[in-house]
Amino acid sequence: RKEVEQDPGPFNVPEGATVAFNCTYSNSASQSFFWYRQDCRKEPKLLMSVYSSGNEDGRFTAQLNRASQYISLLIRDSKLSDSATYLCVVNSGRALTFGSGTRLQVQP
Amino acid sequence: DGGITQSPKYLFRKEGQNVTLSCEQNLNHDAMYWYRQDPGQGLRLIYYSQIVNDFQKGDIAEGYSVSREKKESFPLTVTSAQKNPTAFYLCASSLGDSSYEQYFGPGTRLTVT
Repeated sequence: RKEVEQDPGPFNVPEGATVAFNCTYSNSASQSFFWYRQDCRKEPKLLMSVYSSGNEDGRFTAQLNRASQYISLLIRDSKLSDSATYLCVVNSGRALTFGSGTRLQVQP
Repeated sequence: DGGITQSPKYLFRKEGQNVTLSCEQNLNHDAMYWYRQDPGQGLRLIYYSQIVNDFQKGDIAEGYSVSREKKESFPLTVTSAQKNPTAFYLCASSLGDSSYEQYFGPGTRLTVT
């Protein structure tokens, strides 16, 4: 079983839609969780950290469910510029483990 | 203007040659990391260093070597022993251990023919 699993997508949504991604992780001892965004042929960029109580940053909301070992990312009012691959990232003791990413394509 | 720089952006080498990728940061971060990304795949950890003069193997260290003589610099050498060296190489840094978020450089695309 992979340490971090994500649905690769692609998720094709119209502008203005709400879209949600889930990610599951296998290490119950993990303490730090992040979502990164990666544009095509570019480096990953930190989108947001994920806190136990859930957190919001503008149109983006992240949730953590420790009991079921999953993390979610909700994007409201999707923009064309949100089109990218979203990476779920979990710490696994010595380093961060990156999921393979979920591709989002927002269409006009 | 703080950040992480990697050079060059594109690198072409012949099979059998060693090549060194540069990574420099001026964020005053203690920890630095090297990842490899293949098309359509996630990042895989090659080496990491949490302090100067110390580094640890990641999941795919075979065929690679690193040094950490200065806090700001963490060069990666891809040796001729690496069987499939063509990939996108990403360097990252963080304030401390794996509980901290990492910040990435722009990456180096290495093509070996």
